[in-house]
Amino acid sequence: SQKIEQNSEALNIQEGKTATLTCNYTNYSPAYLQWYRQDPGRGPVFLLLIRENEKEKRKERLKVTFDTTLKQSLFHITASQPADSATYLCALDRYSSASKIIFGSGTRLSIRP
Amino acid sequence: GAGVSQTPSNKVTEKGKYVELRCDPISGHTALYWYRQSLGQGPEFLIYFQGTGAADDSGLPNDRFFAVRPEGSVSTLKIQRTERGDSAVYLCASSLLPSGGGRTSYNEQFFGPGTRLTVL
Repeated sequence: SQKIEQNSEALNIQEGKTATLTCNYTNYSPAYLQWYRQDPGRGPVFLLLIRENEKEKRKERLKVTFDTTLKQSLFHITASQPADSATYLCALDRYSSASKIIFGSGTRLSIRP
Repeated sequence: GAGVSQTPSNKVTEKGKYVELRCDPISGHTALYWYRQSLGQGPEFLIYFQGTGAADDSGLPNDRFFAVRPEGSVSTLKIQRTERGDSAVYLCASSLLPSGGGRTSYNEQFFGPGTRLTVL
């Protein structure tokens, strides 16, 4: 079965630096990979999607890369701010199933002033 | 406009009791999903509705769990004979079209705030 691994330990970054989060997966290659943000007591909020034929995608201060050879995605937040502190979830589609999305366990990011 | 809403926000029940969790999706969204999230974990898929029918219920852990969406809008997740292991946050999400389903189609899922279920 598909497995998704994200940094299990919290990531602490100084404000203004670039935060980089890692998502590794095993087995089949997904059609697309998504990143979500989740704040305590709230549901996940979609941030970015990258397709299998895309290597990089950007949205404002966010950048996602997708390496299907390494089976890895990197999620970058440049010029990080304390408001970026949250848990970030990586998610993959299951191409064999039209509906399911498999989530990683998330990485908690803390940006200190 | 209004997002996905879920009620109650918190539910405390005793082992063996029956509970119902409600989800109001975004108006016009045909697809509705239920997930379960345990502490420190990502959401785990339970069931997906396209309209009124359950298109994929393979994530339901056992026959104590059941969900309905009789009019293609509001959905109710029902848990019978609750067990302590059922304690988790139950998340609902909706989208315009099914997410996934091929290498060209995708629609963003919008999540509700979740219902925190505690089984004593």
